[in-house]
Amino acid sequence: DQQVKQNSPSLSVQEGRISILNCDYTNSMFDYFLWYKKYPAEGPTFLISISSIKDKNEDGRFTVFLNKSAKHLSLHIVPSQPGDSAVYFCAASARNAGNMLTFGGGTRLMVKP
Amino acid sequence: DAGVIQSPRHEVTEMGQEVTLRCKPISGHNSLFWYRQTMMRGLELLIYFNNNVPIDDSGMPEDRFSAKMPNASFSTLKIQPSEPRDSAVYFCASSPTGREGLLTKETQYFGPGTRLLVL
Repeated sequence: DQQVKQNSPSLSVQEGRISILNCDYTNSMFDYFLWYKKYPAEGPTFLISISSIKDKNEDGRFTVFLNKSAKHLSLHIVPSQPGDSAVYFCAASARNAGNMLTFGGGTRLMVKP
Repeated sequence: DAGVIQSPRHEVTEMGQEVTLRCKPISGHNSLFWYRQTMMRGLELLIYFNNNVPIDDSGMPEDRFSAKMPNASFSTLKIQPSEPRDSAVYFCASSPTGREGLLTKETQYFGPGTRLLVL
């Protein structure tokens, strides 16, 4: 039973447009959420995070939105660039689980020039 | 800092053989995680060590898998005997502190992974 789900395995976007990646979770104990980015042949790297006390966090072209009532978060990339093409993983941390993370299955983003 | 180091980067073996994957965490990090990435299941946590002690191994698929952390700078993940369904990319990650570190963005740092193919 996956507690963190990314229902879209892939997404294709034109350069300059907005990319929206979605993530749903089921565990109400999750109170901190992260997005990781992974290029081929490399390990995932941290991108942006959000605490459950917030509903939005912005870092340059990247914004994460959290809807706690819907148990849903999304990552917006504006404007999208070809270098953003990668696999994006959503991850969640529960308040009683130290620094353990539960990851979603990932979404492959392709930004076309 | 060299980051998390994993070896080998690629491993091809035959069914039934023993496979040992190695990880050197970032110096000073006291948490270490082993993950497996597959197309079907995404990124799954296999086992988590804190201060060299296994804390949660509920993700270890079965008895064929074992992990050790004999000291703060080295961990191994062993599969014996290996099976074709074990083919995946295995990642090691380390983290500097507990939850306080997570909340200050000192999040998990991943190695480059070991791509395992069991024939």
